Amino acid sequence: QKEVEQNSGPLSVPEGAIASLNCTYSDRGSQSFFWYRQYSGKSPELIMSIYSNGDKEDGRFTAQLNKASQYVSLLIRDSQPSDSATYLCAVNRDDKIIFGKGTRLHILP
Amino acid sequence: GAGVSQSPSNKVTEKGKDVELRCDPISGHTALYWYRQSLGQGLEFLIYFQGNSAPDKSGLPSDRFSAERTGGSVSTLTIQRTQQEDSAVYLCASSSARFSGGRDNEQFFGPGTRLTVL
Repeated sequence: QKEVEQNSGPLSVPEGAIASLNCTYSDRGSQSFFWYRQYSGKSPELIMSIYSNGDKEDGRFTAQLNKASQYVSLLIRDSQPSDSATYLCAVNRDDKIIFGKGTRLHILP
Repeated sequence: GAGVSQSPSNKVTEKGKDVELRCDPISGHTALYWYRQSLGQGLEFLIYFQGNSAPDKSGLPSDRFSAERTGGSVSTLTIQRTQQEDSAVYLCASSSARFSGGRDNEQFFGPGTRLTVL
């Protein structure tokens, strides 16, 4: 089992709809969870971090964490064309951060 | 404030030559990470520094790759006798991490160095 798994996509979502991105991880000891956005040709940009079970909202973004199920997700409300990017899920293992391979999100105008 | 900076932004070299890539982390960040990303691929972990020491070198692909960090700040990644398969974007990230599990683990990335080996 890969340490951090994401569906590679592409995930196509109509403009204005909710985009739902999912990630599972294998290390039950992980305590820090991150979502990065990476535009083509650019470096990853941290958009959300979450450390406890439940939801965390920041503007149009909501991160959800379920440690029992080893599952973390990112919801993007009112999707915009500018949200089209690859979204990387990242999880800590000790002092190292393990990245998933990312999900490509395409917002359809 | 200033973010993570990397230089050069682009490097074209001939097969067999040595290259040095530089990373200047966010001031005060004790942890520094090097990653490699090939076209259309995910992030490949190379090495991690906590201060000047490297607790985890497990991702270095071969003994042609080495890295050092001096003064707890700037880091240099050196690739000797470059090969065409070394062509990729090399990304550096830093965090204030001193222990696992907390907000300190948030990593901030530099713009990367695009390495092309002809």
